[in-house]
Amino acid sequence: ETGVTQTPRHLVMGMTNKKSLKCEQHLGHNAMYWYKQSAKKPLELMFVYNFKEQTENNSVPSRFSPECPNSSHLFLHLHTLQPEDSALYLCASSLLAVGELFFGEGSRLTVL
Amino acid sequence: GENVEQHPSTLSVQEGDSAVIKCTYSDSASNYFPWYKQELGKRPQLIIDIRSNVGEKKDQRIAVTLNKTAKHFSLHITETQPEDSAVYFCAASPNQGGKLIFGQGTELSVKP
Repeated sequence: ETGVTQTPRHLVMGMTNKKSLKCEQHLGHNAMYWYKQSAKKPLELMFVYNFKEQTENNSVPSRFSPECPNSSHLFLHLHTLQPEDSALYLCASSLLAVGELFFGEGSRLTVL
Repeated sequence: GENVEQHPSTLSVQEGDSAVIKCTYSDSASNYFPWYKQELGKRPQLIIDIRSNVGEKKDQRIAVTLNKTAKHFSLHITETQPEDSAVYFCAASPNQGGKLIFGQGTELSVKP
């Protein structure tokens, strides 16, 4: 148990669907992140939240919409996705100024 | 922004041999350099990290070296074992923590 929990673990959706990914951390951290991991690419940073305020949007298409209601929860809302968005979406958290990122198990997304 | 290059992309060694993975970074402001190990189907986990005020750090069979002038850092694994087989990612951060920019990953295979 790493203290970072992601649901669902697997998700299959059509291009017209709307779904959400959820992340929860029980580590008392003050920063949360979304990363995308594709087969041929490195871990790509998508969004950063510090103290529930978004501090970075790494040129992510608007069909991905993050939400951070508090320092422990992070969502990624998905709508009108494309097949190339199929990937493993990893949530992570950290204590700012310390460094180590703790990752969740990831949500494996398949867009048909 | 920061860009991290990692080589090689795949590395195969015999059990007991040493393995070396190298990374370069572009942003001279980066000051925190972690290494993550990701086993098949698992989340990335921190194995060792180094900060810019240190040139080398060792933890049992794992060591990391940092050359700030050349902007490169390396992971050294000695006496490799089959359980070291995984994908290894280097990363850099300009914030002494916070967001990490990852390299492309190295798939290490240790043959018994």
